[in-house]
Amino acid sequence: AQSVTQLGSHVSVSEGALVLLRCNYSSSVPPYLFWYVQYPNQGLQLLLKYTSAATLVKGINGFEAEFKKSETSFHLTKPSAHMSDAAEYFCAVRIVGNTPLVFGKGTRLSVIA
Amino acid sequence: NADVMQNPRHLVRRRGQEARLRCSPMKGHSHVYWYRQLPEEGLKFMVYLQKENIIDESGMPKERFSAEFPKEGPSILRIQQVVRGDSAAYFCASSPPSFGQGTTGELFFGEGSRLTVL
Repeated sequence: AQSVTQLGSHVSVSEGALVLLRCNYSSSVPPYLFWYVQYPNQGLQLLLKYTSAATLVKGINGFEAEFKKSETSFHLTKPSAHMSDAAEYFCAVRIVGNTPLVFGKGTRLSVIA
Repeated sequence: NADVMQNPRHLVRRRGQEARLRCSPMKGHSHVYWYRQLPEEGLKFMVYLQKENIIDESGMPKERFSAEFPKEGPSILRIQQVVRGDSAAYFCASSPPSFGQGTTGELFFGEGSRLTVL
């Protein structure tokens, strides 16, 4: 079965600093990988997705992620944090077929002025 | 995603009562998923349904919980005889059918239903 591990339940960065949120996955077959963002009391919004095309994926709000098969990783980055980036971020994995999306436990990002 | 409609957004029940949560998927989507979110635990998969059929219920508690997605109308997650531990946010998501046949597998989420059990 596939699974996701997000290292760090809480990450704090200064405004303008690099954002790096870590995600490692486990899957016996080629995975599809996703990052979602959740703002307080809201649902989940898709940031970006890896679907076996380009390994460097660009998403909304200046975020990007790189799929590294050798490291089984899909870390999320943003060069310069903005106050509005403060939210909870979830990495998720799915395999082809009638399967659900499997989420990590999430990383809460705080941005300090 | 506002196109996946969940109601009620907030629900308060006393222990022993029933809770019914509804989800209308995006237009054109025939697959619905229910997830439960508890603080510090992320989103836990509960059940995956298509019209009139349960595809995967491996995440559903064996007792008190049930889900359906009838031919007509919304999907319903039903919790009987609620207990305080059922207090959580319940999210519904939808997708087109047949992941792997020209679709890319992402789910589209509603705003959630927040259940509080007193």
